[in-house]
Amino acid sequence: EAAVTQSPRNKVAVTGGKVTLSCNQTNNHNNMYWYRQDTGHGLRLIHYSYGAGSTEKGDIPDGYKASRPSQENFSLILELATPSQTSVYFCASGEGGQSGNTLYFGEGSRLIVV
Amino acid sequence: GQQVQQSPASLVLQEGENAELQCNFSTSLNSMQWFYQRPGGSLVSLFYNPSGTKHSGRLTSTTVIKERRSSLHISSSQTTDSGTYLCALPLNNNAGAKLTFGGGTRLTVRP
Repeated sequence: EAAVTQSPRNKVAVTGGKVTLSCNQTNNHNNMYWYRQDTGHGLRLIHYSYGAGSTEKGDIPDGYKASRPSQENFSLILELATPSQTSVYFCASGEGGQSGNTLYFGEGSRLIVV
Repeated sequence: GQQVQQSPASLVLQEGENAELQCNFSTSLNSMQWFYQRPGGSLVSLFYNPSGTKHSGRLTSTTVIKERRSSLHISSSQTTDSGTYLCALPLNNNAGAKLTFGGGTRLTVRP
């Protein structure tokens, strides 16, 4: 069973502060993703990665950076956090390939920006 | 318009009743997936079902690519089935990497 672990699980940040959400996966998947989930918008893709050293923009990348220093780790960085970034963030990993890219999700990180 | 649409948005059942959840999409790519999200929790993959019918316990998924739709049937619902059901698929030919999710169907099963 793939394991995807996110930290922190809960975070309160101040407007203008820097926030780093971390994700670690232990199943050696190539692809990793960061989504945010908001009422009325569902799950939206922020950034994703095909492997160590690669990051790609998703559908809503503005205000976010991503870093993939290794196969196992994928971070989401909010350099200047704003209240509109208050949300639940999910990390996921997947094997990749059009034959079936089943995603395995972490438990989510709840971020409140005040 | 929304490229992955799910219906109904919410559904309330009595325990033992069946449910039919629908997902309609704008692409002909065949990589449909269904996920379950427990209340306040993470998502778990239920089916990878690019076409045809698949079964898993009380769950059945049917995808008809030509009609650009997929359904998830839950038989003999239980209170533990409560949660949100999401469909997802890649909307561009990007090796299936970039999944777009529907808005979900929130299911409540009452005892």
